[in-house]
Amino acid sequence: DIQLTQSPSFLSASVGDRVTITCRASQGIRSYLAWYQQKPGKAPKLLIYAASTLQSGVPSRFRGSGSGTEFTLTISSLQPEDFATYYCQHLKSYPYSFGQGTKLEIK
Amino acid sequence: EVQLVESGGVLVQPGGSLRLSCAASGFTFSTFWMSWVRQAPGKGLEWVANIKQDGSEKWYVDSVKGRFTISRDNAKNSLYLQMNSLRAEDTAVYYCARRDYDFSSGILYYYMDVWGKGTTVTVSS
Repeated sequence: DIQLTQSPSFLSASVGDRVTITCRASQGIRSYLAWYQQKPGKAPKLLIYAASTLQSGVPSRFRGSGSGTEFTLTISSLQPEDFATYYCQHLKSYPYSFGQGTKLEIK
Repeated sequence: EVQLVESGGVLVQPGGSLRLSCAASGFTFSTFWMSWVRQAPGKGLEWVANIKQDGSEKWYVDSVKGRFTISRDNAKNSLYLQMNSLRAEDTAVYYCARRDYDFSSGILYYYMDVWGKGTTVTVSS
């Protein structure tokens, strides 16, 4: 089974900052990776799929990159609504799995 | 409006059974693979199961194999999760999600683009 490890698990930042979250896969998954944002008490929201394709309606300050085993989600110029928990997920083969999450908090 | 609405979550005793439902609307349900994803209290997301459009193919995470069964009724635009032999570790919010794909690059990329709000299952005596 493919394991995903996100880093950091917690991130403190300020409005306007640029932040990067990393997701590492235990084996190569090409670009079969998605990123989700989840706010407390809400369902996850798809941000990016195919490692770098922005889902329709998602602001362009979100950018995904990487392939193989290392991936990044970058948020340029953090907005107040971006403070949430972020998850990566691989969809290369079953079982699909998620990273453990990165909680982005306001500094 | 594209929508998924889960129901059926309750408090159940260990060893008990439960069936979750997910009602789909606003899209052609029968043309999509569907998924169940769960989230234990204070924990991360865990993919649970997937089912093909016609129900002929089903996939499960190891921890629920033999206990949970995913199914669907395309005539009713509904997805189900039959949960048997429930354990305390099955306590979670259960989300149904639509799996869509993008083939524009010539490579098939999947993603879960529509999610319900979730239904809470608590397994406790």
